[in-house]
Amino acid sequence: DGGITQSPKYLFRKEGQNVTLSCEQNLNHDAMYWYRQDPGQGLRLIYYSQIVNDFQKGDIAEGYSVSREKKESFPLTVTSAQKNPTAFYLCASSSLTVPQETQYFGPGTRLLVL
Amino acid sequence: AQKVTQAQTEISVVEKEDVTLDCVYETRDTTYYLFWYKQPPSGELVFLIRRNSFDEQNEISGRYSWNFQKSTSSFNFTITASQVVDSAVYFCALSEARDYKLSFGAGTTVTVRA
Repeated sequence: DGGITQSPKYLFRKEGQNVTLSCEQNLNHDAMYWYRQDPGQGLRLIYYSQIVNDFQKGDIAEGYSVSREKKESFPLTVTSAQKNPTAFYLCASSSLTVPQETQYFGPGTRLLVL
Repeated sequence: AQKVTQAQTEISVVEKEDVTLDCVYETRDTTYYLFWYKQPPSGELVFLIRRNSFDEQNEISGRYSWNFQKSTSSFNFTITASQVVDSAVYFCALSEARDYKLSFGAGTTVTVRA
């Protein structure tokens, strides 16, 4: 089945710890995105990538880092510099063959701070 | 500046009632794209519709219909004969031609009571 997978479903972070959220897609999409969702709010863009080995900051990149070594994978690291990391994190992907092609989302990872 | 406004925070209806979700957007671009997504309690965002700025035709898909009016910068969504399974958070989103980012509204929580 084609789709986007995110792991883990739940993640717990201790103070001062870096954690990495996984996002994999088998849709052969060029672009991938990371969004953060806080309760009662819409999604905000953290980082996005349109091609392997290249990525751009979104609206709230501080305290986060990403890599894009493979087309299928776009992991997000929440660093200790992110002081308020508790949120729901959603990964998305889209084709770039059509302008503003639809973004399809994974099931999300819920990050909680211990 | 908020690009997408969903003024209704929560809507509660009884099954079989119709419900309309409002979405007002703001952009200076002449080419842009509008989207609706559904987020059920599981958390994953489900794509519902994509509409470009040059296509003002209304669309119907089963019990769902969308009304796009450029004159009022609105892209409203109606669920006809609502069902309990329609209970979810619904997001309207805007993508401008200058980049690939999606700007989301804050979402409207729809609760359909049996």
